[in-house]
Amino acid sequence: AQKVTQAQTEISVVEKEDVTLDCVYETRDTTYYLFWYKQPPSGELVFLIRRNSFDEQNEISGRYSWNFQKSTSSFNFTITASQVVDSAVYFCALSEPSESAGKSTFGDGTTLTVKP
Amino acid sequence: NAGVTQTPKFQVLKTGQSMTLQCAQDMNHEYMSWYRQDPGMGLRLIHYSVGAGITDQGEVPNGYNVSRSTTEDFPLRLLSAAPSQTSVYFCASSYSAIGGGYGYTFGSGTRLTVV
Repeated sequence: AQKVTQAQTEISVVEKEDVTLDCVYETRDTTYYLFWYKQPPSGELVFLIRRNSFDEQNEISGRYSWNFQKSTSSFNFTITASQVVDSAVYFCALSEPSESAGKSTFGDGTTLTVKP
Repeated sequence: NAGVTQTPKFQVLKTGQSMTLQCAQDMNHEYMSWYRQDPGMGLRLIHYSVGAGITDQGEVPNGYNVSRSTTEDFPLRLLSAAPSQTSVYFCASSYSAIGGGYGYTFGSGTRLTVV
């Protein structure tokens, strides 16, 4: 069965600090997909990134970067030079195509607070 | 704007009442699903559909029914509301059910309170 663990419940940083959100997953499949979503205080859920299990290249998008390591079953998310607008709940999710026909299992989320 | 539309945004029900949460998408997505979000518990899957006429249960299906008569619509019915169903409900859609490799587009959510 698939499982996603986000051990950090809450993180608080001061603006311009770098912050890493951890995500550890469990799966028996060799093919799977990992996702990050953002939920700002307004409440909507926004898709940030998708990574498949065969692509371990790290990805950078502006101040955001993602580190995928199959050896440690982790898919961590780093925000560089954090800003107040980054304050949100961040969810990591996992999908196993062979079992779940598109279903994603979500972690419990990490609440990030960026203080000015 | 294309996306997932959920109605209503807020609802208060009395215990035992029934209601339907509406969800519609205009992106021709195959896959649709309903999640509930409770504090500290992330998002839990209630029901999902991989296409018109096909639905299945998720992690927490009890007390809810769904149907998918068209590609666009995926309503969630609460049969007899209970206080334990107080939650925020999100509808999500995805391009394809095959492969599971597509991110979700979420609706804006429905905040439901059962008193």
